[in-house]
Amino acid sequence: AQKVTQAQTEISVVEKEDVTLDCVYETRDTTYYLFWYKQPPSGELVFLIRRNSFDEQNEISGRYSWNFQKSTSSFNFTITASQVVDSAVYFCALITGNQFYFGTGTSLTVIP
Amino acid sequence: ETGVTQTPRHLVMGMTNKKSLKCEQHLGHNAMYWYKQSAKKPLELMFVYNFKEQTENNSVPSRFSPECPNSSHLFLHLHTLQPEDSALYLCASSQERGWSGYTFGSGTRLTVV
Repeated sequence: AQKVTQAQTEISVVEKEDVTLDCVYETRDTTYYLFWYKQPPSGELVFLIRRNSFDEQNEISGRYSWNFQKSTSSFNFTITASQVVDSAVYFCALITGNQFYFGTGTSLTVIP
Repeated sequence: ETGVTQTPRHLVMGMTNKKSLKCEQHLGHNAMYWYKQSAKKPLELMFVYNFKEQTENNSVPSRFSPECPNSSHLFLHLHTLQPEDSALYLCASSQERGWSGYTFGSGTRLTVV
């Protein structure tokens, strides 16, 4: 069975702190893709990153970085020097075959 | 603007009403999806259309009726809903198989009274 677990339901940090959002996935497929989406209060899910199962290179994009480790089936997301605009719900997702599996989301609040 | 447009953004309807949600994309995607997002619950996939053909119906009650007249438009017709159907309804589109990811609309916040 495929599954995505985001154990952190809610996180609050003070502005400028670093924060890591955890994502653990389960799949028996060897080919799959992992995603992170951001859902601000406006509602739409905004695409942040996609990684395929054959590429374990970590990625950095500005204040965002992602750590993909197949050995632990994890795809964690770190925001460095958090800002109030980072407040949102963040979803980790797995796609394999034709199915998209979402985690339950982590609600991040950045306090000014 | 995400490339996927949903209307209306907010909808309040009585349990005996009939209404429709609309989704439109001009990204050249050939798959479209309806998701339901309820408070404190995971995103629930409702329907999948691939090249205008419905390929998935995840045990959705018949009071929700999808329609996909072409690859760019997707509707969700609602009738005799229940208060527990109140949720954010998200439309998404993708290339076939969706491996490049889904593009989501802003959603319709539905309240059933």
